[in-house]
Amino acid sequence: AQTVTQSQPEMSVQEAETVTLSCTYDTSESNYYLFWYKQPPSRQMILVIRQEAYKQQNATENRFSVNFQKAAKSFSLKISDSQLGDTAMYFCAFMPHQGGSEKLVFGKGTKLTVNP
Amino acid sequence: EADIYQTPRYLVIGTGKKITLECSQTMGHDKMYWYQQDPGMELHLIHYSYGVNSTEKGDLSSESTVSRIRTEHFPLTLESARPSHTSQYLCASSELFPNYGYTFGSGTRLTVV
Repeated sequence: AQTVTQSQPEMSVQEAETVTLSCTYDTSESNYYLFWYKQPPSRQMILVIRQEAYKQQNATENRFSVNFQKAAKSFSLKISDSQLGDTAMYFCAFMPHQGGSEKLVFGKGTKLTVNP
Repeated sequence: EADIYQTPRYLVIGTGKKITLECSQTMGHDKMYWYQQDPGMELHLIHYSYGVNSTEKGDLSSESTVSRIRTEHFPLTLESARPSHTSQYLCASSELFPNYGYTFGSGTRLTVV
């Protein structure tokens, strides 16, 4: 079974600084997708960034970028120029390509606090 | 704007009451999901559906039931609420092949007293 591990239950960062959230996963699949989701306090969970495993280039979305290391099964999220609005739970998720039965497998989350 | 809607946003109810949590999406997504989010914020899949008249139990055993009579609607029902059902419930939907992930609703925070 696939598993996703987020080893940092909580992190904090000063506003305007850079922070990296870790995620590792375990799978025997060669074709899959990886995601980072953000859940602000009492608000909707939204997709931050996604990565296709067959693409070597790391995905970027404005201040958010990933470091995807396929051989190491690592998928970390880097947030540059942190803002107070980045305070949230961040979930790493994995999805194998299984021909129709795919479901996201989530990590336990990392609570990020951005301090002024 | 295409979205997914959950009602109510907050619910406080007495033990033994029957409740239905509503979830509707306007994106025409085939797949829908219910997650229970514990106080530590971990997500547990309790039900999912691949389309109309298709429902399956998830990884976490739940006393709730679901139905999928229409593509856009995926309600969750608790026949007799108990304090152990106190939790946040998140609904999500996706395309048939969710390579762009899930779209989540805002959640229902349920408290059973």
